[in-house]
Amino acid sequence: DADVTQTPRNRITKTGKRIMLECSQTKGHDRMYWYRQDPGLGLRLIYYSFDVKDINKGEISDGYSVSRQAQAKFSLSLESAIPNQTALYFCATSEGTRNYGYTFGSGTRLTVV
Amino acid sequence: GQQVMQIPQYQHVQEGEDFTTYCNSSTTLSNIQWYKQRPGGHPVFLIQLVKSGEVKKQKRLTFQFGEAKKNSSLHITATQTTDVGTYFCAGATSGTYKYIFGTGTRLKVLA
Repeated sequence: DADVTQTPRNRITKTGKRIMLECSQTKGHDRMYWYRQDPGLGLRLIYYSFDVKDINKGEISDGYSVSRQAQAKFSLSLESAIPNQTALYFCATSEGTRNYGYTFGSGTRLTVV
Repeated sequence: GQQVMQIPQYQHVQEGEDFTTYCNSSTTLSNIQWYKQRPGGHPVFLIQLVKSGEVKKQKRLTFQFGEAKKNSSLHITATQTTDVGTYFCAGATSGTYKYIFGTGTRLKVLA
């Protein structure tokens, strides 16, 4: 089983719909992140969480919300999806106060039509 | 805010040629990481550099952190088709715990 699992892998949704992307991990890491990848723009941080009670906005949090349900689970919601939120979304984890490298999930490809 | 740029954006090389990607930060970094993302895959951590002027090697890959800790490079010697993918740097500034990713360099290796 993958260390970081994202569901769904692919999703097509309509403009205005609410959608949730889910991430779970078996790494035992405290820190979890949501990134968005667009061609030519690299990976941009949406939200991050250092523990269950800690949620922080990243570079591009507008239009997104997150929930850290447990140490192992971190979900990303698009309250009202719009076409420019079409992207590849990655969840990642890291260990403790020293980041020895992120472990990424396989990604969710989201298309908003 | 902090920005991390990478050049070139794309690079096509013949198999056996060398390849270098450069990463430049607008601010001084506490450390820098490098990742590789295969086509259709997810980023995979390669290495972390912490010290000014640090050089690390992984087989045919050489990573360097600049003296001013504002730039870094990844050099691949004698590329192989397995090197195909996008290479990202990611830098963190002192006192922060989140990394800003560069725009990535997409490498294609022609056999």
